[in-house]
Amino acid sequence: GAVVSQHPSRVICKSGTSVKIECRSLDFQATTMFWYRQFPKQSLMLMATSNEGSKATYEQGVEKDKFLINHASLTLSTLTVTSAHPEDSSFYICSARAVKKQGPPDTQYFGPGTRLTVL
Amino acid sequence: RKEVEQDPGPFNVPEGATVAFNCTYSNSASQSFFWYRQDCRKEPKLLMSVYSSGNEDGRFTAQLNRASQYISLLIRDSKLSDSATYLCVVNRDQRGSTLGRLYFGRGTQLTVWP
Repeated sequence: GAVVSQHPSRVICKSGTSVKIECRSLDFQATTMFWYRQFPKQSLMLMATSNEGSKATYEQGVEKDKFLINHASLTLSTLTVTSAHPEDSSFYICSARAVKKQGPPDTQYFGPGTRLTVL
Repeated sequence: RKEVEQDPGPFNVPEGATVAFNCTYSNSASQSFFWYRQDCRKEPKLLMSVYSSGNEDGRFTAQLNRASQYISLLIRDSKLSDSATYLCVVNRDQRGSTLGRLYFGRGTQLTVWP
């Protein structure tokens, strides 16, 4: 099946620093990637939708200047948490939608997630 | 009102038991429906899609009632390895866009004990 990787899997940083998370589709092309955030015992919340070669679409309440998304190629999207604070500590998960011929058109394949802890 | 509502549980059942999870969704324009499974501190993984005609995959049976906007998952003969959080997920297109997006429920936690 389709595989999505994320790096790093875990990161601990000091308050005020920036953290970059990579999301890669390893064996398929993904025109659309999604970034989610999940707090403990909560549902996954979509942060933004990223289309290759264009600006990301952010969900209401998500600061685009704080969560920078770059989708430079059909296999790579990055999320940068700028000036991270303790309240940004969460589980960040990306998913990628296959171009076609990889399951139903609306199938999303999830990365393993990145656990961010901001001290 | 939340897009997808689930009973968070937890459900604690013995091995071999049958357990049912329910879910409701608020937007009648929702187009496709899924159950995902999420293990502790892991990403969600697709368990099965849900169709109006009902569908079965081994010990798992999913049902969709569009009229009442209700989705269910039945697990028969529970195994220890079924212990996880089960997420009810719906997909619908965004206004002005051809892209669909997923809406996740909070999940229902299941623990199967020996």
